Amino acid sequence: SQKIEQNSEALNIQEGKTATLTCNYTNYSPAYLQWYRQDPGRGPVFLLLIRENEKEKRKERLKVTFDTTLKQSLFHITASQPADSATYLCAPRSNDYKLSFGAGTTVTVRA
Amino acid sequence: DGGITQSPKYLFRKEGQNVTLSCEQNLNHDAMYWYRQDPGQGLRLIYYSQIVNDFQKGDIAEGYSVSREKKESFPLTVTSAQKNPTAFYLCASSIALAGGHGELFFGEGSRLTVL
Repeated sequence: SQKIEQNSEALNIQEGKTATLTCNYTNYSPAYLQWYRQDPGRGPVFLLLIRENEKEKRKERLKVTFDTTLKQSLFHITASQPADSATYLCAPRSNDYKLSFGAGTTVTVRA
Repeated sequence: DGGITQSPKYLFRKEGQNVTLSCEQNLNHDAMYWYRQDPGQGLRLIYYSQIVNDFQKGDIAEGYSVSREKKESFPLTVTSAQKNPTAFYLCASSIALAGGHGELFFGEGSRLTVL
């Protein structure tokens, strides 16, 4: 069955450092992968999309990579700020066009 | 403003009762979805709809029912047959199910607690 795994441990980092989150998937080959941000008690908000033919995508301080050989996406938050503290969800698109979500990685940025 | 509105935000239910969660969108999106979120788990798809008067079961449809009589509305009923209904429920929409970016727009969620 299809499986999505994100960092199981929460990430605590110092302001200004880079946070790197991992998303691994098995048993399917998504055409694209999305990343969302979720704050406590709220719905997720779309951040970035990367397609299978793209190695890297950037948006402001965010960078996403997509390695279809390793079946892995990395999500980087550079020059992190306390406002970046949230849970980040990866969502590969399955073959039937549905989005499946990982459990998320919670990031806490200390001032 | 355009968006998705879920109501109620908090709901308490006694065992054996059905409850309906409302989801309305004014984004003119064709596709709508219901997800369930439990602590430490990813969002799990309950039902989705690509077009009015049509919907499909997701991965955990048992104990739930939906309708799609209008493009902007996709209510979810949690029936008494759902064994563990206490959860955070999220409604979402996208322009279409297939093609495009498939970006989902989420509502603020409804937290259901069964007493």
